[in-house]
Amino acid sequence: KNEVEQSPQNLTAQEGEFITINCSYSVGISALHWLQQHPGGGIVSLFMLSSGKKKHGRLIATINIQEKHSSLHITASHPRDSAVYICAVYGGSQGNLIFGKGTKLSVKP
Amino acid sequence: KAGVTQTPRYLIKTRGQQVTLSCSPISGHRSVSWYQQTPGQGLQFLFEYFSETQRNKGNFPGRFSGRQFSNSRSEMNVSTLELGDSALYLCASSFGTGIAGTEAFFGQGTRLTVV
Repeated sequence: KNEVEQSPQNLTAQEGEFITINCSYSVGISALHWLQQHPGGGIVSLFMLSSGKKKHGRLIATINIQEKHSSLHITASHPRDSAVYICAVYGGSQGNLIFGKGTKLSVKP
Repeated sequence: KAGVTQTPRYLIKTRGQQVTLSCSPISGHRSVSWYQQTPGQGLQFLFEYFSETQRNKGNFPGRFSGRQFSNSRSEMNVSTLELGDSALYLCASSFGTGIAGTEAFFGQGTRLTVV
């Protein structure tokens, strides 16, 4: 079983829909990152969380340390949000960044 | 402010050769970390450097090595290339002591193809 599990693996939405991507982890962590990767490879760090909730524009990220779960929400989704969203936790036995497999989001106009 | 710069962007090498990839972090950032991304394994941590010292290393064979210079630029080297080393190699820089507690900024990556 992977130490970081994301769901869903693939997600197709219509423009304007509210989107939720989930991340569950099984190791102790000190921080959780949400990353966005567009075709071509470049990665953008969206959020770094260690507790609570953060908001940036239409993006909201939450984390529940007790339940070892985080969610990334996108309100009023737009085709430019189409990308792979990756959850990564810093922790585990070696204190490395451990990545989820990613969620591929496609937003149709 | 310039972003994280990785060179080269694309590279084709033959099995058995060695390769060196470069990463120039954002000015003022002293932490650089490296990652390998493949379709099968996803993103995996390679190593992390801070102020010229390797702070952490992932589960990769000794053929993978790296270093950081006094200007914070970092290089990673892969010797005796194997077909399975074909991947996108990404580096990230951060201001603090590591990606754990501070925002990370990623480069565009170097796509390595081993034939």
